[in-house]
Amino acid sequence: GQQVMQIPQYQHVQEGEDFTTYCNSSTTLSNIQWYKQRPGGHPVFLIQLVKSGEVKKQKRLTFQFGEAKKNSSLHITATQTTDVGTYFCAGRSGGSNYKLTFGKGTLLTVNP
Amino acid sequence: EAGVVQSPRYKIIEKKQPVAFWCNPISGHNTLYWYLQNLGQGPELLIRYENEEAVDDSQLPKDRFSAERLKGVDSTLKIQPAELGDSAVYLCASSLGGHETQYFGPGTRLLVL
Repeated sequence: GQQVMQIPQYQHVQEGEDFTTYCNSSTTLSNIQWYKQRPGGHPVFLIQLVKSGEVKKQKRLTFQFGEAKKNSSLHITATQTTDVGTYFCAGRSGGSNYKLTFGKGTLLTVNP
Repeated sequence: EAGVVQSPRYKIIEKKQPVAFWCNPISGHNTLYWYLQNLGQGPELLIRYENEEAVDDSQLPKDRFSAERLKGVDSTLKIQPAELGDSAVYLCASSLGGHETQYFGPGTRLLVL
């Protein structure tokens, strides 16, 4: 079945440093979504990427979808303590299968 | 707009006991999902409903897990009997349709002793 891998598993940064998490799928995706889960909280939708090579920005967050639609990345510029949490990518295969397959996530901690 | 509501938020039971979780999706959302999230892992889909029909239950361990979504609104997930390995967070999510953004509830944290 479809597998979605994320690296790194953990990342600790000093406030102000940049952060990037990478997501790779074993199969070509129709779209990919990114979620953020604060400690003790639940996943919150951030964004969806659909087109090959798509790049979207949300303030300090930049999301990319690979040309082959099998990988994606999330980059945070100048991290803040409010960025702390686990970032998950979730890939959806094509066809009528609506199932989202989540990666294991990257836990980001930020030292003030 | 109210979000996805789940209850209870926490549950501690002894193994072999039954347990049930309840979910009320966002009003108007036809699609409802139950996910299992183990510590340090991403959510894993257990079952997906389109209105009252379970359209994907391939990952639901049917020997002990059951779910229902009567009238296509609220849903209940049951485990009977619970095992130690069932300790996890059970998340409910809903969306307008199968391809739409999923909104997660706060989850039920289950501890089986």
